[in-house]
Amino acid sequence: DVKVTQSSRYLVKRTGEKVFLECVQDMDHENMFWYRQDPGLGLRLIYFSYDVKMKEKGDIPEGYSVSREKKERFSLILESASTNQTSMYLCASSGGPGLGGYTFGSGTRLTVV
Amino acid sequence: DQQVKQNSPSLSVQEGRISILNCDYTNSMFDYFLWYKKYPAEGPTFLISISSIKDKNEDGRFTVFLNKSAKHLSLHIVPSQPGDSAVYFCAASVGGYQKVTFGTGTKLQVIP
Repeated sequence: DVKVTQSSRYLVKRTGEKVFLECVQDMDHENMFWYRQDPGLGLRLIYFSYDVKMKEKGDIPEGYSVSREKKERFSLILESASTNQTSMYLCASSGGPGLGGYTFGSGTRLTVV
Repeated sequence: DQQVKQNSPSLSVQEGRISILNCDYTNSMFDYFLWYKKYPAEGPTFLISISSIKDKNEDGRFTVFLNKSAKHLSLHIVPSQPGDSAVYFCAASVGGYQKVTFGTGTKLQVIP
């Protein structure tokens, strides 16, 4: 089974802090994604990556950046955390084109105070 | 602009009955559709998918129907079980492109 591991289940950070959310997958998948889930808004794509050192903006990239130095690891960075970034963050990975079926991590509940 | 819409935020169904979850989309380029199930405090799990060359796909108790002319798909669960209680997300993508657009979710409650 593909496993996607997010390093933290719960995080509380202060406004203005730089925050790192880590995600690791163990099935050699090329594609990795970061979503956030908010009530009434569903899952919204922040950034994704098709390969090491490659990144593309999703639908809501403002206030975020990403890093993919190794194939198995995809990090989401909040440059200066704000209260409107309080959310559930979900990392996912998938195999080649056409498969579409993501495997998600368990999520990180981030609260910015 | 919400390209994938789930207009019912919640649905309650008696155990053993059929659950029907609906989804509409606006982007005519979408040609691959998926349903995910999410329990609290867990990530979504892939449930079933359908390509636009089909109008029905079945997997056990789960069937997805696609009506391309209406830009509508639905997920049928028969019979519904209490363990099916979860949030269901409809999702869509274009061709082999890996970016998937999700709907807002429908919370299904199956009452024993």
